[in-house]
Amino acid sequence: EAQVTQNPRYLITVTGKKLTVTCSQNMNHEYMSWYRQDPGLGLRQIYYSMNVEVTDKGDVPEGYKVSRKEKRNFPLILESPSPNQTSLYFCASSLGGNSGNTIYFGEGSWLTVV
Amino acid sequence: QKEVEQDPGPLSVPEGAIVSLNCTYSNSAFQYFMWYRQYSRKGPELLMYTYSSGNKEDGRFTAQVDKSSKYISLFIRDSQPSDSATYLCAMIQGAQKLVFGQGTRLTINP
Repeated sequence: EAQVTQNPRYLITVTGKKLTVTCSQNMNHEYMSWYRQDPGLGLRQIYYSMNVEVTDKGDVPEGYKVSRKEKRNFPLILESPSPNQTSLYFCASSLGGNSGNTIYFGEGSWLTVV
Repeated sequence: QKEVEQDPGPLSVPEGAIVSLNCTYSNSAFQYFMWYRQYSRKGPELLMYTYSSGNKEDGRFTAQVDKSSKYISLFIRDSQPSDSATYLCAMIQGAQKLVFGQGTRLTINP
């Protein structure tokens, strides 16, 4: 079954404590990305990766890092989380190209920073 | 001004009603247009996808794109309680970057 798997699904952490949200896909997709979803703002892209070792900033990259050492994994790293990073995070993967009908989303990770 | 504008609702209609959801956009470079459905505490799932002006039908759902007016719509016929969800319009810019509307929360009342 085609899947994008994120962990953890739910996390409460404290300001400044580094955390990593993992994302893994089993479809051999080249393109992966991270979005955050906030009330009234929809989903906004944080970072994306077009292939292994190729990453770039999206619209709201401040406070986040990513890495793409393997094709299947694209972790999101919060080096020093702050309360304004409390949000619902989604990882997505796709084959690539300009079409939009191959984009798959994970189930989401609810992150609360206190 | 946001690149994609969508009325956040909430929208509440009786079962069986026709639902119309809309988005406007400002960027003429958008080429591909999608509608996603998102149930509570779940990731968005692709509902409809189109890349040209006109209508595309899939069962009870019809997606409409008017590029000249920069306006897209999703119509749901014979709405069911199971259609209750948040509906997000999205557009492709460049290589696989999705630009989303704010999402419309829809409730279908039995």
